[in-house]
Amino acid sequence: EVQLVQSGAEVKKPGDSLTISCKGSGYSFSNYWINWVRQMPGKGLEWMGKIDPSDSETTYSPSFQGHVTLSADKSLSTAYVLWSSVKASDTAIYYCARTPRYLTAFDIWGPGTMVTVSS
Amino acid sequence: QSVLTQSPSASGTPGQRVTISCSGDYSNIGIGTVNWYQQLPGAAPKLLIYSTNQRPSGVPDRFSGSKSGTSASLAISGLQSDDEADYYCAAWDDSLSAVAFGGGTKLTVL
Repeated sequence: EVQLVQSGAEVKKPGDSLTISCKGSGYSFSNYWINWVRQMPGKGLEWMGKIDPSDSETTYSPSFQGHVTLSADKSLSTAYVLWSSVKASDTAIYYCARTPRYLTAFDIWGPGTMVTVSS
Repeated sequence: QSVLTQSPSASGTPGQRVTISCSGDYSNIGIGTVNWYQQLPGAAPKLLIYSTNQRPSGVPDRFSGSKSGTSASLAISGLQSDDEADYYCAAWDDSLSAVAFGGGTKLTVL
């Protein structure tokens, strides 16, 4: 079964660092882009950026450039989002989603990771 | 404020046909394809329509997509209670150099 498994919920204080992960299984991880999508409480979907696990080439949304770092370890079939210093406004559900190279659509989604930032 | 505009809500009764629209411009819908996602309450989004009018395997043919100029539409026929969800359109935006999502339409089955 093709699936993306995401790391568990996180509770952090402002200023903490944070890394969340997304592990792919059931397919060739390096052959698909991994996208990250933010959903703030009660709000819509926002694209953060994507990474090509084969060479770690990244494309960031201008809205998220400089605020997060995307990375991937193809040997572990895992992609990551890193925050060096989280803020209360980072409180959201973060989804990873796969994109086939020949499409723009996100065909498989992870279940999401809930991040809560509160003092 | 999203560059893709969707009505915040839509509704219909079981068996009806409803249409959800997504309005953009020549930086996004006008020059590329549109994808649609369904998000059931408390769940992750799911791909419903890709490349404007293609259904992934497993998506019923009650769901269909189309595009005209800078607007796209998602049509749902034979409405069912299970269709109650949020629906999002998405497209690449050349001006933003980013994937743009519509604000989402909450579909209520009366």
